Amino acid sequence: GESVGLHLPTLSVQEGDNSIINCAYSNSASDYFIWYKQESGKGPQFIIDIRSNMDKRQGQRVTVLLNKTVKHLSLQIAATQPGDSAVYFCAENYSGGGADGLTFGKGTHLIIQP
Amino acid sequence: DTAVSQTPKYLVTQMGNDKSIKCEQNLGHDTMYWYKQDSKKFLKIMFSYNNKELIINETVPNRFSPKSPDKAHLNLHINSLELGDSAVYFCASSQDPRIGTEAFFGQGTRLTVV
Repeated sequence: GESVGLHLPTLSVQEGDNSIINCAYSNSASDYFIWYKQESGKGPQFIIDIRSNMDKRQGQRVTVLLNKTVKHLSLQIAATQPGDSAVYFCAENYSGGGADGLTFGKGTHLIIQP
Repeated sequence: DTAVSQTPKYLVTQMGNDKSIKCEQNLGHDTMYWYKQDSKKFLKIMFSYNNKELIINETVPNRFSPKSPDKAHLNLHINSLELGDSAVYFCASSQDPRIGTEAFFGQGTRLTVV
């Protein structure tokens, strides 16, 4: 079946720098996308979401960009902090698929260097 | 109050045993899920369930079965445990996946089969 994937499994950035985590998805019917953050020993936590009728959405220090033409999703984290170190997942959903849940990408481990 | 809680957090058991993991959500959501996270951090949906339908990922062995005594609970029963069942299992819930909403995750249950 179709899947969601990430380009970089590990990303290391200096504290205070900006980071960008990328995600490619292949299900062109997906209409809802989420970024999750997972810290060690915890469950995934919601960061930000975006629907397919938008191409950009901003939160506090985070921005999600959606390019439907090339089926690409990215998460930008501004002024990274040590607490941003975690594994980040993108996830997609096709609302017309019923209650079959989110499809997750492989995850990117973001490491913030002091 | 914890939104999605699952117990136990750790479970070590021998091959061939039968075990259960419990999950409760206090968010009033209609849909609950079980996800499996393998050693490479890949999250894969196992089941989604609401009061009308159960959707089973076809790759899940029939040794795994969800049981829902009420809308707020979705327990996971596993029969005849195998070494390959070792993973972290996450329960989640969402309001209405058909319109695209975030899923809230529990803290996970680390299952180790020896």
